[in-house]
Amino acid sequence: GQSLEQPSEVTAVEGAIVQINCTYQTSGFYGLSWYQQHDGGAPTFLSYNALDGLEETGRFSSFLSRSDSYGYLLLQELQMKDSASYFCAVRLYNFNKFYFGSGTKLNVKP
Amino acid sequence: EPEVTQTPSHQVTQMGQEVILRCVPISNHLYFYWYRQILGQKVEFLVSFYNNEISEKSEIFDDQFSVERPDGSNFTLKIRSTKLEDSAMYFCASSEEPREAFFGQGTRLTVV
Repeated sequence: GQSLEQPSEVTAVEGAIVQINCTYQTSGFYGLSWYQQHDGGAPTFLSYNALDGLEETGRFSSFLSRSDSYGYLLLQELQMKDSASYFCAVRLYNFNKFYFGSGTKLNVKP
Repeated sequence: EPEVTQTPSHQVTQMGQEVILRCVPISNHLYFYWYRQILGQKVEFLVSFYNNEISEKSEIFDDQFSVERPDGSNFTLKIRSTKLEDSAMYFCASSEEPREAFFGQGTRLTVV
């Protein structure tokens, strides 16, 4: 079966940098995506890595290493509004579905 | 900006009743999905739909569940004979490429 493992919870202070890791065991996939979900809200797309390396989108960056079966989301200059759950996800080859990781709850403190 | 819309936002139903959750995907998308999220847990795949038929379904998606695309815009999830453990947030999503899925705001289903 497929698995994408993430830390369950991370706490950081406003203005800091935090890294949320995603280690996976899956069959072939197109790329690694990251989603943000605030309490009571819908998952919203943040970032995508089709190839190995770093992708930067404003304060958020994402990294993928297929050889290490590992990726991460990096959030810089943390703001209180970044408090949310973050999920990594893959769209598998030959399977029409996005498979989501276990999710990481990020708590940003003043 | 195009978005996925879901109705109703909340649904309370008695155990054993049938419910229909409705979704309007983004109009030029070809791939549609239903996901479920029990409070505080991960987003679980239920079913995907492409070219007017189911393309994938999870072990959760048993005979109790069905999906339809009754017309060119709507996409529905029917849950027959609801159980207490069906209480969850149900999300519809659509995509046109493997990069990202666009999610609706969800329907919170409470079975009492």
